[in-house]
Amino acid sequence: GAVVSQHPSRVICKSGTSVKIECRSLDFQATTMFWYRQFPKKSLMLMATSNEGSKATYEQGVEKDKFLINHASLTLSTLTVTSAHPEDSSFYICSARAEVGYEQYFGPGTRLTVT
Amino acid sequence: AQSVTQPDIHITVSEGASLELRCNYSYGATPYLFWYVQSPGQGLQLLLKYFSGDTLVQGIKGFEAEFKRSQSSFNLRKPSVHWSDAAEYFCAVGTVTGGGNKLTFGTGTQLKVEL
Repeated sequence: GAVVSQHPSRVICKSGTSVKIECRSLDFQATTMFWYRQFPKKSLMLMATSNEGSKATYEQGVEKDKFLINHASLTLSTLTVTSAHPEDSSFYICSARAEVGYEQYFGPGTRLTVT
Repeated sequence: AQSVTQPDIHITVSEGASLELRCNYSYGATPYLFWYVQSPGQGLQLLLKYFSGDTLVQGIKGFEAEFKRSQSSFNLRKPSVHWSDAAEYFCAVGTVTGGGNKLTFGTGTQLKVEL
């Protein structure tokens, strides 16, 4: 149980375009989803926390207009990187937390490369 | 603010040898503590967690960790390492906030296993 998927697993896009990453909880309802960014050989940096049906809460220094997060249902959250630039290239990981319990369950990650 | 320190960036052990990965945390209240493992290009898998109670916690894959409040530590141990344990290991502290339960990660320890 507690499986989280991400799609796509890998994406390459041109500079200036937008790309959407999906995060789905497959076998539980996720009231809260989290988006992390991981640089090579670095730790995970929390970007934002999203609760179903409400606006995401962004961490300090994360541009909310650049990283659009939508959590429209209890099983789906999306992260859209708008007007992507090469410096946005990174490994993006989502996690989901059920209504009951504290644990976060992580997706397999999405490797974004902006050329 | 909470923080997590993993003093060892890289550790190399021989297969069959014992392992201890260090983790120190800083948090004003009783922490929720986690150890995650990440294989290359993959998401995070929870090894074990500590919320309360017995300070020696058993996890998956033969791992255990001990919470020592006096030392603000939560070190991960395994009595006999297998080659498949080679991966990146992250310690994390969980905090309860108004918007959800955030995780703060350490910088990770890269484990290499020599055959």
